[in-house]
Amino acid sequence: EAEVAQSPRYKITEKSQAVAFWCDPISGHATLYWYRQILGQGPELLVQFQDESVVDDSQLPKDRFSAERLKGVDSTLKIQPAELGDSAMYLCASSFVGGAPQETQYFGPGTRLLVL
Amino acid sequence: AQSVTQLDSHVSVSEGTPVLLRCNYSSSYSPSLFWYVQHPNKGLQLLLKYTSAATLVKGINGFEAEFKKSETSFHLTKPSAHMSDAAEYFCVVRLNAGKSTFGDGTTLTVKP
Repeated sequence: EAEVAQSPRYKITEKSQAVAFWCDPISGHATLYWYRQILGQGPELLVQFQDESVVDDSQLPKDRFSAERLKGVDSTLKIQPAELGDSAMYLCASSFVGGAPQETQYFGPGTRLLVL
Repeated sequence: AQSVTQLDSHVSVSEGTPVLLRCNYSSSYSPSLFWYVQHPNKGLQLLLKYTSAATLVKGINGFEAEFKKSETSFHLTKPSAHMSDAAEYFCVVRLNAGKSTFGDGTTLTVKP
């Protein structure tokens, strides 16, 4: 069964350093999502791509976070500089089209980030 | 606007007894509703979803949920808990394409 791949699975960094996370969605899925999940809370959408275009980045802290999906396939989420409050699980998800509310989103295993 | 409230942050049951995880939602229109499960340090796995067809939805691993519009609820149930059901459960409401709102989660503990 096809899965969403993410790497690394765990990342420890010091504040003010740069970090990057990678996501490879299920083949053929046009829509890709990055979520942040703080411990004890549900995931919150950071950015949504439709192919290579950003559809929604209203919750992305653009002063330090950036995301790209250059060829409309895999994606990279970057934080520079990292802050203590960025410690969280970063989840990537994908869906086939992204145009219907009932469409299932498939999640990767996540990247656990710890900022010291 | 849409929101979702999971009424219990923690639920503890004994193995073999029923499970009830409660979820209330708020939305301007008829939403799509989902339940996901998350095991420690893992991603989210879809258990089931409601998409305006049958109000009683059956999912994987023996879970089911009933959509009650009058009560704006979408509670998750399972007749008999198994040790492997211990995990975090998230109720999700979605109106617009891709814009999902997650509850804060319910931690299910299953005692032997």
